Amino acid sequence: GAVVSQHPSRVICKSGTSVKIECRSLDFQATTMFWYRQFPKQSLMLMATSNEGSKATYEQGVEKDKFLINHASLTLSTLTVTSAHPEDSSFYICSALSSGTPADTQYFGPGTRLTVL
Amino acid sequence: AQSVTQLDSQVPVFEEAPVELRCNYSSSVSVYLFWYVQYPNQGLQLLLKYLSGSTLVKGINGFEAEFNKSQTSFHLRKPSVHISDTAEYFCAVIPDRGYSSASKIIFGSGTRLSIRP
Repeated sequence: GAVVSQHPSRVICKSGTSVKIECRSLDFQATTMFWYRQFPKQSLMLMATSNEGSKATYEQGVEKDKFLINHASLTLSTLTVTSAHPEDSSFYICSALSSGTPADTQYFGPGTRLTVL
Repeated sequence: AQSVTQLDSQVPVFEEAPVELRCNYSSSVSVYLFWYVQYPNQGLQLLLKYLSGSTLVKGINGFEAEFNKSQTSFHLRKPSVHISDTAEYFCAVIPDRGYSSASKIIFGSGTRLSIRP
């Protein structure tokens, strides 16, 4: 089946620095990509939806200036956590979807664990 | 609004024993129901789904789930588990408002299934 990769798988950074997480669809064109965040023992929460070539749509309560999303190509989306703080420490998961397919067929990446010291 | 509750955060089971992972949902509209599995260091994979028709749905790897509308439940079952079933299992719903690529998936908090030899 389709594969979605994320890089890095783990990252530790100092408070105040910015971190970029990449999400790639390896064998299909992803017209839509989703970014989720998962805190320990909690649900995956949708942060934003991005369509290739257009601005991301953020969920209520998600700061767009803090979580910058770029979906510049049909195989790559990036999430940049700007001026990271310890409360941003979490597990970030991306997923990708082909055009015209229903939401449950989105392919998920393995996640990136961010730890902010 | 919709919500998904997975009451058991962890379920330890002996190999070859049966297992049931519980899922209840709350919604003011009809929903589509899903179970996803996440193996260690991998992305979420769709295990099975209920859209309509028979309330008993069968998925991959011998799992099945039954939709019970009166109890708003969608419990996942397997009659005999294997070591390889060790994973995190997520129940999820999509509101029945136009099943499309724009639909938002609402996840439960997950249940970690650990199989003991």
